[in-house]
Amino acid sequence: SYVLTQPPSVSVAPGQTAMISCGGSNIGSQSVHWLQQKPGQAPVLVVHDDTDRPSGIPERLSGSKSGNTATLTINRVEAGDEADYFCQVWDTIGDHVVFGGGTKLTVL
Amino acid sequence: QVQLVESGGGVVQPGRSLRLSCAASGFTFSSYAMHWVRQAPGKGLEWVAFTSYDGKKTFYSDSVKGRFTISRDNSKNTLYLQVTSLRGEDTAAYYCARDVGFTGPLYMDVWGKGTTVSVSS
Repeated sequence: SYVLTQPPSVSVAPGQTAMISCGGSNIGSQSVHWLQQKPGQAPVLVVHDDTDRPSGIPERLSGSKSGNTATLTINRVEAGDEADYFCQVWDTIGDHVVFGGGTKLTVL
Repeated sequence: QVQLVESGGGVVQPGRSLRLSCAASGFTFSSYAMHWVRQAPGKGLEWVAFTSYDGKKTFYSDSVKGRFTISRDNSKNTLYLQVTSLRGEDTAAYYCARDVGFTGPLYMDVWGKGTTVSVSS
């Protein structure tokens, strides 16, 4: 089955840039979506189709993709960005939604 | 406003069944595909099931296929998940989520707050 690999944790100081990676074979041919989940809350979509932001999501959050890796970048990190972040694709071979294992972003 | 509200969770013994519901409001429910996604305590997100806008196309994760059934009643703006033969590993918060796709999955743009299922003897 298709697997998406994320680092378990990323730490960054306020005002700095956080980069969260999501690796998968042939991910270049897939649309990657990113979700943010704060403690005790439901997930929120922050990036869809690799690079697009839903309305209301700050421009500080952006998505990109290169080779077999998609990346969520958060510029000028704030304390309120502390959350778990999940990447997601639709595996067209297996007809399954696949989530990455999630990355906990800690703001130091 | 667009809203999804799950219900039907609770504490249940292994082997028993439950029906989870997700009431939709603020949008044309019958025009959207829907998902169920679960999250075990302290763990990541796990996709459970998908249904197209009309219920005619469904997909399931391997871990629930044959035990769980996703369905919808567009006249009631409600999504369901019938869960049977429950096991300890089914203990989780269960979220319903709207997919912007019509017949096939694209991405989930609206999520409910979840309902918790705890399987315990």
